Amino acid sequence: TQLLEQSPQFLSIQEGENLTVYCNSSSVFSSLQWYRQEPGEGPVLLVTVVTGGEVKKLKRLTFQFGDARKDSSLHITAAQPGDTGLYLCAGENTGFQKLVFGTGTRLLVSP
Amino acid sequence: DAGITQSPRHKVTETGTPVTLRCHQTENHRYMYWYRQDPGHGLRLIHYSYGVKDTDKGEVSDGYSVSRSKTEDFLLTLESATSSQTSVYFCAIKDSGRGDTQYFGPGTRLTVL
Repeated sequence: TQLLEQSPQFLSIQEGENLTVYCNSSSVFSSLQWYRQEPGEGPVLLVTVVTGGEVKKLKRLTFQFGDARKDSSLHITAAQPGDTGLYLCAGENTGFQKLVFGTGTRLLVSP
Repeated sequence: DAGITQSPRHKVTETGTPVTLRCHQTENHRYMYWYRQDPGHGLRLIHYSYGVKDTDKGEVSDGYSVSRSKTEDFLLTLESATSSQTSVYFCAIKDSGRGDTQYFGPGTRLTVL
């Protein structure tokens, strides 16, 4: 069974601070996705990374896929209250048509 | 918006009763998925479907069955609900036209007393 562990599980910070969320596995994935979920809603895709070492930026969010395609990180610069939510990573392997989700990181950004 | 609806959105039931959750999509996507979400576990795959009458088990399929008699509907049934099945259930579709991205429905909160 492939597992994805996220850390930290919970993060409470002040507006303007920077943070990094980690997603780690002992398994190799062909792609890694990051989702954000708000209370009462389903997860929404933020980004997909597919190449080892790949870095993608989405405004203040920077996503990196590890060289060995076993881990990923999400860095948020100058966090804002609107960034509050549950962040989930998910890995997929080509041909399996299924995602394996991480355990989630709950982020709270206070004004 | 991927046109996914789930019903009911909330349900409270008693141990031992059967429960069916419905997922409906409007865009004829081939792949549909049922997940459950519990604190500390992220989302875990229960069952998925790759076409009408074609389904397969996920990592937490015990106690659940599914059916897909039409492309647009994917049903999840708890034959005899237990308290351990109290959870939030999400349906998802995979959009092959948009990079195989999975899009999720709004969820069903199920409480088994």
